[in-house]
Amino acid sequence: NAGVIQTPRHKVTGKGQEATLWCEPISGHSAVFWYRQTIVQGLEFLTYFRNQAPIDDSGMPKERFSAQMPNQSHSTLKIQSTQPQDSAVYLCASSWGGDGDTQYFGPGTRLLVL
Amino acid sequence: DAKTTQPDSMESTEGETVHLPCSHATISGNEYIYWYRQVPLQGPEYVTHGLQQNTTNSMAFLAIASDRKSSTLILTHVSLRDAAVYHCILRVNTGNYKYVFGAGTRLKVIA
Repeated sequence: NAGVIQTPRHKVTGKGQEATLWCEPISGHSAVFWYRQTIVQGLEFLTYFRNQAPIDDSGMPKERFSAQMPNQSHSTLKIQSTQPQDSAVYLCASSWGGDGDTQYFGPGTRLLVL
Repeated sequence: DAKTTQPDSMESTEGETVHLPCSHATISGNEYIYWYRQVPLQGPEYVTHGLQQNTTNSMAFLAIASDRKSSTLILTHVSLRDAAVYHCILRVNTGNYKYVFGAGTRLKVIA
């Protein structure tokens, strides 16, 4: 089992550019979660899919951030018009059924916006 | 609103057994005790969890006090690879999927 896969591991973008982050959950897991981690803010919940349907996006900045899960094997987090304050490690996690199940995290994508 | 208290840092030597404490005096009856660890440039790694009984797996032994107000993660024969920040968190088993980590305990392992 390869665990949760995230690509790319590192991404550098210029201010105003678009960034797309990919996540492949553990095979068989029906829930996918996106978090953002910074030293200052710690771990912040962004959004949650179960069986590919969006369940909770309450942590997503309303502008510029969007997430999709077009099939059970991958999810994407897109940030439009990136800003320096978007610089963070973006973590994807998956679990068997969502809600209270144990979440397994990927290695993260380190985004740097210059 | 941190519900767990952990020491900022601990140090151990390779091969030793380490006891990482966590205090959770206001734990509710339906809250599980979870442990994750994180090393630089990696996501949090699940270690173990328990409700009331002590648990063990290939990574660690979790000792839970009888009143559940504290727990201890025990790592035996630690190696340099065990150096990480260890997070103790409380979670209910339904409807609580937003993980929140505190500062955790930074474990330093000396060769």
